[in-house]
Amino acid sequence: EAQVTQNPRYLITVTGKKLTVTCSQNMNHEYMSWYRQDPGLGLRQIYYSMNVEVTDKGDVPEGYKVSRKEKRNFPLILESPSPNQTSLYFCASSPRDRGLGLYFGPGTRLTVT
Amino acid sequence: GENVEQHPSTLSVQEGDSAVIKCTYSDSASNYFPWYKQELGKRPQLIIDIRSNVGEKKDQRIAVTLNKTAKHFSLHITETQPEDSAVYFCAASRGFKTIFGAGTRLFVKA
Repeated sequence: EAQVTQNPRYLITVTGKKLTVTCSQNMNHEYMSWYRQDPGLGLRQIYYSMNVEVTDKGDVPEGYKVSRKEKRNFPLILESPSPNQTSLYFCASSPRDRGLGLYFGPGTRLTVT
Repeated sequence: GENVEQHPSTLSVQEGDSAVIKCTYSDSASNYFPWYKQELGKRPQLIIDIRSNVGEKKDQRIAVTLNKTAKHFSLHITETQPEDSAVYFCAASRGFKTIFGAGTRLFVKA
């Protein structure tokens, strides 16, 4: 089944404890991206990747890191999480020839206390 | 920075009526305009999209219109059904960047 997967789906952590949210797609998509969803703000782009080893900042990259060592994986890293990073996170992917019509993962609800 | 404004934030219609959601974008270089539907507790799903060289696109009960001059695009849902109840997001893309509107919560009353 073609899909985007994320893990974990739910995470409660404490300020400053490094964490990684994994994202994987099995559709051979070139483009992958991370978004955070907050009430009243819609989805905001954190980072995106056009292909392996090619990444760039979105609108809200502060406090986040990403890497794209393999085409299928695009992990999101929070080196020192803070409470303002409490949010719902979505990974998404898209084939190059589909413009940027996105396939979203199921989401990861992160709480930082 | 660039932004996308979406209105209304909440919309309530009677089953069978039409619903219209409007978005305005600021980046004149935007060239791709998708719409996503997000049901409660679920991921957003692409329902329709339009490119900047097209003025209108229709897919069964949903249609999207684009006015590049006014930097304005709209989603039209006809003959609404209870299962259309969800949050709808518009978005504007340029290159590899996508900016989303804040969302419209649509309620369809049976």
